[in-house]
Amino acid sequence: DIQMAQSPASLSASVGDRVTLTCRPSQTIDIYLNWYQQKPGKAPKLLIYAASNLQSGVPSRFGGSGSGAEFTLTISSLKPEDFATYYCQQTFTTPWTFGQGTRVEIK
Amino acid sequence: EVQLVESGGALVQPGGSLRLSCLASGFTFGGYWMTWVRQAPGKGLEWVANIKEDGSEKYYVDSVKGRFTISRDNAKNSLFLQMDSLRGEDTAVYYCTRSFFCARCNGNWADDYWGQGTLVTVSS
Repeated sequence: DIQMAQSPASLSASVGDRVTLTCRPSQTIDIYLNWYQQKPGKAPKLLIYAASNLQSGVPSRFGGSGSGAEFTLTISSLKPEDFATYYCQQTFTTPWTFGQGTRVEIK
Repeated sequence: EVQLVESGGALVQPGGSLRLSCLASGFTFGGYWMTWVRQAPGKGLEWVANIKEDGSEKYYVDSVKGRFTISRDNAKNSLFLQMDSLRGEDTAVYYCTRSFFCARCNGNWADDYWGQGTLVTVSS
């Protein structure tokens, strides 16, 4: 199975900050990488698919990049509603595995 | 509006069985792969299984192979997960998702809609 390593595990940031989250698969996965946001008690929400494609309805402050074995999710200017846990997921091969998540907290 | 509504979660004893259901609406159910994803309390997401549009292909994570069976009834817009020989480590919220295929994205898959989840607790 492909292991997905996310870093950092958590971070504290302020409203307006630019934050970058990283995801590294245990093997190269082309662009088969998605990002999800999850708030407490809620289902995950798709933000970015195929590494860099913004899902419909997702604000443009979210951006994804990367290919192969390193990917990043960038939030250009944090808003209060962005404090949540973010997961990457590979769909290169089954089982489709998730990273352990990065929790973005308010500083 | 796309909606996925899971049901069937409950408290069950180790070794017991449970059948989860997911009722879909707002889209052509038979035109999509569907997936189950679970999340143990306080933990991350774990992909469990998925099924092709017509039910002819199914894939499972190793930890549930031989114990869980994914199925669907396209006439009833419903997805199912039959869970047998349940263990404590199966305790989780189980989400039903719609998986979409992006042909222009080198064939990437992603879960674009999720249900609210149903809680399965395995405990004596």
